[in-house]
Amino acid sequence: SQTIHQWPATLVQPVGSPLSLECTVEGTSNPNLYWYRQAAGRGLQLLFYSIGIGQISSEVPQNLSASRPQDRQFILSSKKLLLSDSGFYLCAWTQGSYNEQFFGPGTRLTVL
Amino acid sequence: GQQVMQIPQYQHVQEGEDFTTYCNSSTTLSNIQWYKQRPGGHPVFLIQLVKSGEVKKQKRLTFQFGEAKKNSSLHITATQTTDVGTYFCAGPNQAGTALIFGKGTTLSVSS
Repeated sequence: SQTIHQWPATLVQPVGSPLSLECTVEGTSNPNLYWYRQAAGRGLQLLFYSIGIGQISSEVPQNLSASRPQDRQFILSSKKLLLSDSGFYLCAWTQGSYNEQFFGPGTRLTVL
Repeated sequence: GQQVMQIPQYQHVQEGEDFTTYCNSSTTLSNIQWYKQRPGGHPVFLIQLVKSGEVKKQKRLTFQFGEAKKNSSLHITATQTTDVGTYFCAGPNQAGTALIFGKGTTLSVSS
């Protein structure tokens, strides 16, 4: 069966510090991968998606970046965090764009 | 740009009452999906509707896809405290590469 992992689960970082969040999927190959951000009590904002290794599409201009170094690994990064980067970061995968998405447990990031 | 809107944003009901959330897309959708996010959790897929006018049921939950494939609804009969959470609808973007989520309806239930 397929599983999706995210780490860390929670993170507190100072403004201006770098960020690296990792997402890995097991039990499937060539998934579509997605990064979302959810502000407290708000909806899901799509940040990046990837349909293959090295292929990244950005939905929202910001100080975040994403990379897909391996088929089942998706990384979200920032060189310098802003206060507004605080939120709940969710990684998701799907097999084919029109199918249901499976979400990871998420990372709660607080930037102070 | 393409948008998916949901109403209401919040809904509080007494246990046993019914609940409905509505979803409207600015464009015709090839399918619509519904997800539930429990407090503190991550979204979990509930169902996908594909056909115009489709109606699907999961126990006390009834999902409908409009004839024009631009709107959808989720109806919960006789809510229970386990129904608490945020319900999202989502539809594919025009390119078919990602889902566009509505902002969700947060349901609270008091016993």
